[in-house]
Amino acid sequence: HSALTQPRSVSGSPGQSVTISCTGTSNDVGGYNYVSWYQQVPGKAPKLIISDVSRRPSGVTDRFSGSKSGNTASLTISGLQTEDEAEYHCFSYAGYNWVFGGGTKLTVL
Amino acid sequence: QVQLVESGGGVVQPGGSLRLSCAASGYSFSVYGMYWVRQAPGKGLEWVAFISFHGSETYYTDSVGGRFTISRDNSKDTLYLQMNSLRTEDTAVYYCAKGNGWWPEYWGQGTLVTVSS
Repeated sequence: HSALTQPRSVSGSPGQSVTISCTGTSNDVGGYNYVSWYQQVPGKAPKLIISDVSRRPSGVTDRFSGSKSGNTASLTISGLQTEDEAEYHCFSYAGYNWVFGGGTKLTVL
Repeated sequence: QVQLVESGGGVVQPGGSLRLSCAASGYSFSVYGMYWVRQAPGKGLEWVAFISFHGSETYYTDSVGGRFTISRDNSKDTLYLQMNSLRTEDTAVYYCAKGNGWWPEYWGQGTLVTVSS
């Protein structure tokens, strides 16, 4: 399975919204509602922020939201804050196989 | 709270072997599947292996199949990754993660494996 496709980088100003896309195929993103998103600060372990395409774990701010259309999943971060600056990774189940996206660096200007 | 602590990383020559361990605490280890995920320096995350809660089902990414073996000891709340025939491209931080359905939920802090002559 090839890696899911994410933009290398996105940026936004505090208070704005940004959306990160994650494009796969009908064998992964499009075939299952098991897309998750992770936030990773440099030097730290990833943290789950979205599961099942759009479900937020307990304790995760509602400024993070997820969606999916066809073979593309999306993570939207609203009301950007400086603390949101991090790498974001999407992840999908692919039928007893699993695949990550290449990661997207979010810069808060 | 869930805690995952990896150990066993280090420097090894190409062709060598290493066994990683992941000690779990704070939840019922034997009830959940487990993942190994790696991250090469400056690169993205890569799924490596998955093991079912009972250990009878294991899955691997193509590049490590036949060289790596994931296993678990539910009596010790510990996950393992036996890595043989290591290559320079296996150099990475290796994370263990507690599964929740078909995704990793909680992650350890990782252990660095460096394959170099």
